[in-house]
Amino acid sequence: ELKVEQNPLFLSMQEGKNYTIYCNYSTTSDRLYWYRQDPGKSLESLFVLLSNGAVKQEGRLMASLDTKARLSTLHITAAVHDLSATYFCAVDEGNKLVFGAGTILRVKS
Amino acid sequence: DVKVTQSSRYLVKRTGEKVFLECVQDMDHENMFWYRQDPGLGLRLIYFSYDVKMKEKGDIPEGYSVSREKKERFSLILESASTNQTSMYLCASSSLGRGSYEQYFGPGTRLTVT
Repeated sequence: ELKVEQNPLFLSMQEGKNYTIYCNYSTTSDRLYWYRQDPGKSLESLFVLLSNGAVKQEGRLMASLDTKARLSTLHITAAVHDLSATYFCAVDEGNKLVFGAGTILRVKS
Repeated sequence: DVKVTQSSRYLVKRTGEKVFLECVQDMDHENMFWYRQDPGLGLRLIYFSYDVKMKEKGDIPEGYSVSREKKERFSLILESASTNQTSMYLCASSSLGRGSYEQYFGPGTRLTVT
């Protein structure tokens, strides 16, 4: 059974600082997704990572995938308040996804 | 752009009522999903469907049923609503396009059962 673990589950950051969210998963998969959820809203796709070594960047967020280590990271550079949200990673299990528990990110000014 | 719509954003129902939540997608996706989301518990898969009239149980199917009569529409049914079904319900769809099963989510329905 595929299990997906995110850490930390809660992250309080100062504006301007860097930090990384980690996503570990238990069985082989080459496809991993990152989503963002704002309070009271639905999930919005951020990144789709489809192979070992894949790296995607959008603004202050960068995601990478290491399929050998079964690890993905979401790196935040110079955090700003607008990045406050919950971030989920999800791993492909055939034609459905298994989600991590989510990381609540709060950026303080 | 993929669009997934849900019939209601907010719904208040009484215990014992039959509740229908509807989801429609416009991208001809084969796969459709119903999740519930509760604080501290993340997203939990209730049911999914990979084709018309096909359904598979997810992690928490008890108390729910689903219907998929048309490819674009996937309905979640609470046969007899209970207070522990108060939750945010999210619908999603996907297809194996561009090599991935990226899921696209609807706006969610916040259901309160009193």
